[in-house]
Amino acid sequence: KQEVTQIPAALSVPEGENLVLNCSFTDSAIYNLQWFRQDPGKGLTSLLLIQSSQREQTSGRLNASLDKSSGRSTLYIAASQPGDSATYLCAVDSGLAGANNLFFGTGTRLTVIP
Amino acid sequence: NAGVMQNPRHLVRRRGQEARLRCSPMKGHSHVYWYRQLPEEGLKFMVYLQKENIIDESGMPKERFSAEFPKEGPSILRIQQVVRGDSAAYFCASSLAQANTGELFFGEGSRLTVL
Repeated sequence: KQEVTQIPAALSVPEGENLVLNCSFTDSAIYNLQWFRQDPGKGLTSLLLIQSSQREQTSGRLNASLDKSSGRSTLYIAASQPGDSATYLCAVDSGLAGANNLFFGTGTRLTVIP
Repeated sequence: NAGVMQNPRHLVRRRGQEARLRCSPMKGHSHVYWYRQLPEEGLKFMVYLQKENIIDESGMPKERFSAEFPKEGPSILRIQQVVRGDSAAYFCASSLAQANTGELFFGEGSRLTVL
């Protein structure tokens, strides 16, 4: 069964710093990997989707990489801002039973200090 | 183009009552997924539906929980005889494409509190 782990569980950084969030998964047979952002009491906002054939995706100050063979993904945030404060979730789609069945990590809670 | 709409956003029930959570997918999306987020835990898949069909319910508890996505109207997640352990945030997501290729769009969730 796919297990997704995110490290660290929480992270505080001063505004302007670059940072890296880590995600690891146990089964490398994945279809895609998604990074989401979740604000307190809110839903999930998709940030980046990486297909299994891709190695990275970029959107603005965000860059996500994928190394299927080692079961790892990283989310790089450049020049962090207080508005980036949120919980970041990594989710892996293993395609079990032909369904879009995402396995989520428990997230990294990011606080960017002004 | 409205996003995934869930209601109610907050629901309080006493033990033994029924909870009904509704989800309207994004316009044009015919794939709906329900996930549950227990306090301090990650989201867990519950069920995947297409119009009028349950495709994968491997994450649904065997008793008290049911889901439907009728031809007309929203998808409904129904929890009968709720217990305190059902207290959680229930998220609905929809996608346009078939499984494994499409991006999921999530609603803001329905937060169930069982007293």
